[in-house]
This record gives sequence, C-alpha cells and structure tokens, in this order.
Amino acid sequence: NAGVMQNPRHLVRRRGQEARLRCSPMKGHSHVYWYRQLPEEGLKFMVYLQKENIIDESGMPKERFSAEFPKEGPSILRIQQVVRGDSAAYFCASSLRSPDPSTDTQYFGPGTRLTVL
Amino acid sequence: GESVGLHLPTLSVQEGDNSIINCAYSNSASDYFIWYKQESGKGPQFIIDIRSNMDKRQGQRVTVLLNKTVKHLSLQIAATQPGDSAVYFCAENILYQGAQKLVFGQGTRLTINP
Repeated sequence: NAGVMQNPRHLVRRRGQEARLRCSPMKGHSHVYWYRQLPEEGLKFMVYLQKENIIDESGMPKERFSAEFPKEGPSILRIQQVVRGDSAAYFCASSLRSPDPSTDTQYFGPGTRLTVL
Repeated sequence: GESVGLHLPTLSVQEGDNSIINCAYSNSASDYFIWYKQESGKGPQFIIDIRSNMDKRQGQRVTVLLNKTVKHLSLQIAATQPGDSAVYFCAENILYQGAQKLVFGQGTRLTINP
C-alpha cells in the first residue's frame, strides 16, 4: 500500500496523559500536513512540515501540541497533558511538492481517532 | 480566517439521479480548489480538482464547475450509485509565503436512496 499511513487508528487516553500520533507519507512525498476534525465538521489545518522543518504551525495550539518530521522515520504529532476537548480525528496528508506549489495535491491518511476519557 | 462554506449540509437523491453539491469561498485570490469524499471512519479521498484559470473540469461521472465572479464551486455527480453516499468537502488551497494549507468547508452529507 503506497498510501499515507497513520497509526494508531484509535487511541484512548486519560486526562493528563500524552498522545503520540504517527504519520508515514506516501513514497516520494516530503511534505506532511496535520489536520484535526471534530464530529460533523470539516478538517482544520494544524501544521505543515517538511523534513526537519516546521513550515507553518499557525493552526496548532501554542501549548501542549508539537509536531516533528525527522530526517528518518514518520512525522509525529504529540499532545501533552490531554484534555477531553482534544478528542477528535487527526488526519495527516502528504504531497509531492510539484513545481507549482499552488496546485500541490494533498493525499490523506485514514486518520487517528483520539478519545480522551 | 476560514473562507470556505457550503450551502446545504445534507442532500438525499434517488439512485441513478444526478446530484449537485455547492460550495462558496471568500478568498478571491485562491487559485486551486479540490473536492474530497469522506466515507464514515475514513480519511478524505481526492475526487477532482480545478485551477482558477478553468471554469469546468470533468472526471469519471463527476464535474466541477467554478464561477469566480460569485466565488462559487459545485460538484456534479452523474447517475449516483449507493457507493457515492458520503460526506463531500470542498477545499481551497491557500498559498502564503511559500507555505500552503487547505481550508475546508463544513461538508455536505450525500445519501443515495434505493
């Protein structure tokens, strides 16, 4: 399967614990995006990363949330000290970065559904 | 801020009929739009895209129309099938200082009646 991979698919955490969500982009893709989706809503942009660089984190909460995309391995979205309001589906997308970035298509993974008890 | 919205949150059509899903956007500088299909429990699936230098683009059973004058997008699905039941999102690609992100609308739930 050459698609975007995310794991785990489902994650349950108690308030105050840490959540780590992983994303492996499509083969050959070097750009990763994280989005969050609440029930019955559209996806909201969180962060855009390239290898070892955060390009745009304007959609990410300033506290408790962090993201990385190391030179080797998957991209990680980390949520510290989770609260019930963090319960949502978190989707990762990747893109190839075409010569015209304004038309760079993003392909999505299956998502991680985080439930905070 | 968020700039993409949808007129109808739900749409029911008979199997075999055509369906039209609408979307409005507010950023007149946007030049790339994408329709995604999301089935229950899955991630958004790319359907079709359109650049702002076009007003129509066709795929297999789907057509996207772009009206830049009124900043309106629509997705037409011909001869709907049960497998078309899903939530459909339009998304606007925002490019700023070399960084891009998608701004999604609320979504329209399409239900196909047998």
